[in-house]
Amino acid sequence: QSALTQSRSVSGSPGQSVTISCIGTSSDVGGYNHVSWYQQHPGKAPKLMIYDVTKRPSGVPDRFSGSKSGNTASLTISGLQAEDEADYYCCSYAGFYTLFGGGTKLTVL
Amino acid sequence: QVQLVQSGAEVKKPGASVKVSCKASGYTFTAYYLHWARLAPGQGLEWMGWINPDGDTRYPQTFQGRVSMTRDTSISTAYMELNSLTSDDTAVYYCARDTGGNVFHIWGQGTMVTVSS
Repeated sequence: QSALTQSRSVSGSPGQSVTISCIGTSSDVGGYNHVSWYQQHPGKAPKLMIYDVTKRPSGVPDRFSGSKSGNTASLTISGLQAEDEADYYCCSYAGFYTLFGGGTKLTVL
Repeated sequence: QVQLVQSGAEVKKPGASVKVSCKASGYTFTAYYLHWARLAPGQGLEWMGWINPDGDTRYPQTFQGRVSMTRDTSISTAYMELNSLTSDDTAVYYCARDTGGNVFHIWGQGTMVTVSS
């Protein structure tokens, strides 16, 4: 039950697009379509941004999108805005267990 | 509205135990899995386990034997107790409702636990 692998940091300028990757295995990311993504600002609780790989909860801008290929899931944020600066965590179902990624810090330049 | 409200911050000595509560409102408490996770300084989110509608629990190996998740359905409250605390357990602890397939729409506000001698 190892954590999912995410790059530690990513950055982009306002208006640009960035993609955050989440690497797992065939026992988690690759084995189920239950990958979700969470945004967390300092001192706040995580917020659901994407679930079931590609679905967006109501209220989440369509600038946020998710995808998956094999054992790697991705979160793409297009049209970057200052308020997108936060930590992002992927999460995958893994049978009876849950795995989170190590988190990616997004900096909006 | 649907919400989870957690108990307040705790300061504990090494070797002690801590019990954090998570009170649910706005929905049928016994209809959903409830998960616990923590965020330690400089670290990522770490899953600690779940308690399901039947009261069954599941914990990852890293916490086996040291964590216990329980609930009191009469007051719609879940509890997470962590034993044999060390400074590595200093973190913000969260409860989260699972809509299904590890979809955590609702989170508690977090409980800061500080372990210090």
